[in-house]
Amino acid sequence: DAGITQSPRHKVTETGTPVTLRCHQTENHRYMYWYRQDPGHGLRLIHYSYGVKDTDKGEVSDGYSVSRSKTEDFLLTLESATSSQTSVYFCAIARGLETQYFGPGTRLLVL
Amino acid sequence: QQQVKQSPQSLIVQKGGIPIINCAYENTAFDYFPWYQQFPGKGPALLIAIRPDVSEKKEGRFTISFNKSAKQFSLHIMDSQPGDSATYFCAASPEGSARQLTFGSGTQLTVLP
Repeated sequence: DAGITQSPRHKVTETGTPVTLRCHQTENHRYMYWYRQDPGHGLRLIHYSYGVKDTDKGEVSDGYSVSRSKTEDFLLTLESATSSQTSVYFCAIARGLETQYFGPGTRLLVL
Repeated sequence: QQQVKQSPQSLIVQKGGIPIINCAYENTAFDYFPWYQQFPGKGPALLIAIRPDVSEKKEGRFTISFNKSAKQFSLHIMDSQPGDSATYFCAASPEGSARQLTFGSGTQLTVLP
């Protein structure tokens, strides 16, 4: 258990609505990441953060934004959800810069 | 562009068998290669990792073999058990401040009793 919680764990929403997913860590790690997991694609990096208010884009960042106002929380926002954003979203933290540990995931269904 | 190619997509073995999962990478800047295990409904969990300065690493029943010249690495599971049935992902990352992982597409392993 890497001390990572994600909320909500499941969400159903409609196309065009905004959605925010929360990742919370209890261990005060500097690096946090958001991934999406889709069949046949493994996990793909959406955005990551290397400190409070310091974020950068990953491989599949279009349509997503992130914010980190506190060390322990990393938020992922879908400004206007689309059906292509139906996925399982995982948050991760990095211990010692190298090893990433993942949260339990959030299943998002966009109708 | 997929930078880490993983095969096979699925694998079925009998209990006690030695499943082998292979990965190949393109980016020569990669210098850290972890393997993750994922059970249904759970997040991926780090299983074992290797750096290119060694050709093999063992942890319990899990072994990574690494071939730097071929840009390939593989996971071997010795004496596989039904409890090893899961999806396995290889990954790679370059040296750098953020350690961005690039994942393979995953292998669904089933170990029959």
